Amino acid sequence: EDKVVQSPLSLVVHEGDTVTLNCSYEVTNFRSLLWYKQEKKAPTFLFMLTSSGIEKKSGRLSSILDKKELFSILNITATQTGDSAIYLCAHLHSGGGADGLTFGKGTHLIIQP
Amino acid sequence: DVKVTQSSRYLVKRTGEKVFLECVQDMDHENMFWYRQDPGLGLRLIYFSYDVKMKEKGDIPEGYSVSREKKERFSLILESASTNQTSMYLCASSPDSYNSPLHFGNGTRLTVT
Repeated sequence: EDKVVQSPLSLVVHEGDTVTLNCSYEVTNFRSLLWYKQEKKAPTFLFMLTSSGIEKKSGRLSSILDKKELFSILNITATQTGDSAIYLCAHLHSGGGADGLTFGKGTHLIIQP
Repeated sequence: DVKVTQSSRYLVKRTGEKVFLECVQDMDHENMFWYRQDPGLGLRLIYFSYDVKMKEKGDIPEGYSVSREKKERFSLILESASTNQTSMYLCASSPDSYNSPLHFGNGTRLTVT
């Protein structure tokens, strides 16, 4: 059974800090790892990572995948209160079918002013 | 932009009632999903569908059924609502199961009293 483990489960930092969120996985038929940001509404897509060592970047957010050590990190620099959210990591596996996403439990990030 | 619309943002129902949660997507996506989200448990897949009239059980299908009569609409049915089905329900769609992130609706917060 696929497993996605995120750490920490919750994190409180001050505005301006840099944070690193972790996602490790034990899966069969790896294809991609996805990061989502969930605020009060639905998760919004951030990044999809398929290849090791290639950093994906969007503004102050960046993410990288290590397929040898089976983990991914999501970095947020110069955090702002608007970054407060639950960050979800999910494994998209190959093998066909529409059920190919396994989610971690999420990291609840709180940015204090 | 893909739009996934869930018909109700908040619902309150009584134990034993039959409950319908509706989801419509406007991008001609083949795959549609129903998840529930509970604190500390992350997102869990209830049912999914990869084509009209096709449905597959996810991880926690007990107490639920689904209907997909048209490609754009995927309904989640609680045959006899129970208090342990109080949760946030998220609908999602994707064009295919390979390297395609899910697009989520805004969620329906269901309370069963």
